[in-house]
Amino acid sequence: DTGVSQDPRHKITKRGQNVTFRCDPISEHNRLYWYRQTLGQGPEFLTYFQNEAQLEKSRLLSDRFSAERPKGSFSTLEIQRTEQGDSAMYLCASSLMLGGTGELFFGEGSRLTVL
Amino acid sequence: GDSVTQMEGPVTLSEEAFLTINCTYTATGYPSLFWYVQYPGEGLQLLLKATKADDKGSNKGFEATYRKETTSFHLEKGSVQVSDSAVYFCALTRSGSRLTFGEGTQLTVNP
Repeated sequence: DTGVSQDPRHKITKRGQNVTFRCDPISEHNRLYWYRQTLGQGPEFLTYFQNEAQLEKSRLLSDRFSAERPKGSFSTLEIQRTEQGDSAMYLCASSLMLGGTGELFFGEGSRLTVL
Repeated sequence: GDSVTQMEGPVTLSEEAFLTINCTYTATGYPSLFWYVQYPGEGLQLLLKATKADDKGSNKGFEATYRKETTSFHLEKGSVQVSDSAVYFCALTRSGSRLTFGEGTQLTVNP
């Protein structure tokens, strides 16, 4: 399967713990995005990378959240000192800019539950 | 800022019924517009798109026309099937980078 893969698919943690999610994009895609989705809502943009450069971060992204894409391939999203409000599905997507149409390919997401 | 508003849901239809899911947007300039679909237990996937005014996107019997004058991109299908049951998201991008999504519309099609 050459789609976007995310790991782990489910994570349960206690409040105050740190968690890290990994995303492997489609191999030839140079853009990688992180979104957060809560129940009954559409995905909210968090941040995106072009190659290894983080080009944009949402104002919603607190300083407890950090994302990296060190070699322009896979990416990690770390949440420090988790809070119950961080419980959500974290979605990764990738794209290859062709004609500026912005089609994104999504992974199945990593569900975080903070107890 | 940019925003997308979808009709309040959920929507429940019988098989072979006509479907319309309304989507309106707020954005400056000329965004590209998308419909994404999320089937149960799967990731979001692109259903159709339109990149300029009056374009019609179509796929799997679904259609949507980019209406600049009404800032709308309503999704339609003439005859829905049980397999169309999913959550549908309208989205836009202005810059070709981030997508801004609507809140989603849950569609349930009963046999």
